[in-house]
Amino acid sequence: AQKVTQAQTEISVVEKEDVTLDCVYETRDTTYYLFWYKQPPSGELVFLIRRNSFDEQNEISGRYSWNFQKSTSSFNFTITASQVVDSAVYFCALSEGRGNYGQNFVFGPGTRLSVLP
Amino acid sequence: EAQVTQNPRYLITVTGKKLTVTCSQNMNHEYMSWYRQDPGLGLRQIYYSMNVEVTDKGDVPEGYKVSRKEKRNFPLILESPSPNQTSLYFCASSLGSGPGNTIYFGEGSWLTVV
Repeated sequence: AQKVTQAQTEISVVEKEDVTLDCVYETRDTTYYLFWYKQPPSGELVFLIRRNSFDEQNEISGRYSWNFQKSTSSFNFTITASQVVDSAVYFCALSEGRGNYGQNFVFGPGTRLSVLP
Repeated sequence: EAQVTQNPRYLITVTGKKLTVTCSQNMNHEYMSWYRQDPGLGLRQIYYSMNVEVTDKGDVPEGYKVSRKEKRNFPLILESPSPNQTSLYFCASSLGSGPGNTIYFGEGSWLTVV
């Protein structure tokens, strides 16, 4: 069965520090997709990034970067020069097919990031 | 603006009083679903719909109903709410139902059943 682990329950950093959020996944499929979502204190879930299992290139978007390593089944997320507005719960998620029934989308438990001024 | 809209955003209701949480998306997405989020349990899927008139149970369907009469709307119905249905609810949609389709979420509905 597929599974997503985010071992860090809570992280606190001081503004301008870099922080990495870990995500480790388990799947038997060769084709799968990985996602990161952000949930700020207001509660909404905001999509950040999607990667497929065949694309191991790292990605950078502004202060955000993602490191996908199939060899270690990890999809880590780094925020550079963190800001108070980055304070949120971050979810890693894994998607696989489930035959004719769409996709099986599994979320990790989330990591609560607090960025202190 | 592309979005998933759900209402109400906040609701306090009493046990047994039927309620409906509406959900509408303007992205012409085929796939829609409902999740609930609870502390320590994460996000769990309640129901999903792969297209109009096609709905199926997710992981925690008990106590809920859904319907998909139009592509854009996917209401969640609690026929007889109970306190254990107090939760944060998310409606979500994606273009297709296959893996790799990004799921976009509504802003969430905070429901309290007393």
